[in-house]
Amino acid sequence: DGGITQSPKYLFRKEGQNVTLSCEQNLNHDAMYWYRQDPGQGLRLIYYSQIVNDFQKGDIAEGYSVSREKKESFPLTVTSAQKNPTAFYLCASSMGRPNGYNEQFFGPGTRLTVL
Amino acid sequence: GEDVEQSLFLSVREGDSSVINCTYTDSSSTYLYWYKQEPGAGLQLLTYIFSNMDMKQDQRLTVLLNKKDKHLSLRIADTQTGDSAIYFCAVTGGGVSGGYNKLIFGAGTRLAVHP
Repeated sequence: DGGITQSPKYLFRKEGQNVTLSCEQNLNHDAMYWYRQDPGQGLRLIYYSQIVNDFQKGDIAEGYSVSREKKESFPLTVTSAQKNPTAFYLCASSMGRPNGYNEQFFGPGTRLTVL
Repeated sequence: GEDVEQSLFLSVREGDSSVINCTYTDSSSTYLYWYKQEPGAGLQLLTYIFSNMDMKQDQRLTVLLNKKDKHLSLRIADTQTGDSAIYFCAVTGGGVSGGYNKLIFGAGTRLAVHP
């Protein structure tokens, strides 16, 4: 079964700690994305990666970091510099066709709560 | 930058039609998507429309696109309780290096279906 997985589903963190959210896909997609979702707001892009070993900042990258060492994996680290990290985090992937149909497939999400 | 707007709430009676509206600002958007999100889950693609089309029908779903007014709508016929969810409009826009298009999401419309 092809798909995109995120773990864990729920994550609790103390203030001042870094935490890493996992995202894996077996769809052979080139592009991967991280979004943050807050109540009553749309999805805001944190980071995206078009290809292995390359990634770009999205609209709200401050306090976050990523890596893309493998095509299948795009982990997101929420650092202590992120002022308000409690949110629902969604990972997505797509074939990344230039200027073409570019459906994004989403994982089930990780809900991060800072205590 | 690109902006996508949706009304936040819609309440309908079971069996009626639902119409969810979306307006966007980037006239160069080539693909426009509707995603559905159920509570605590990721987003799943419902349907999409290419910018050279006015209408697309897929079973109970009808998408209408008015490019002149930059208005997109999703009509759900015979709405059921299982249709209760948040519906996101997303358009391609804010092209990135290499030509891969980001998706810009609206804030989402929460559809409540009551008996």
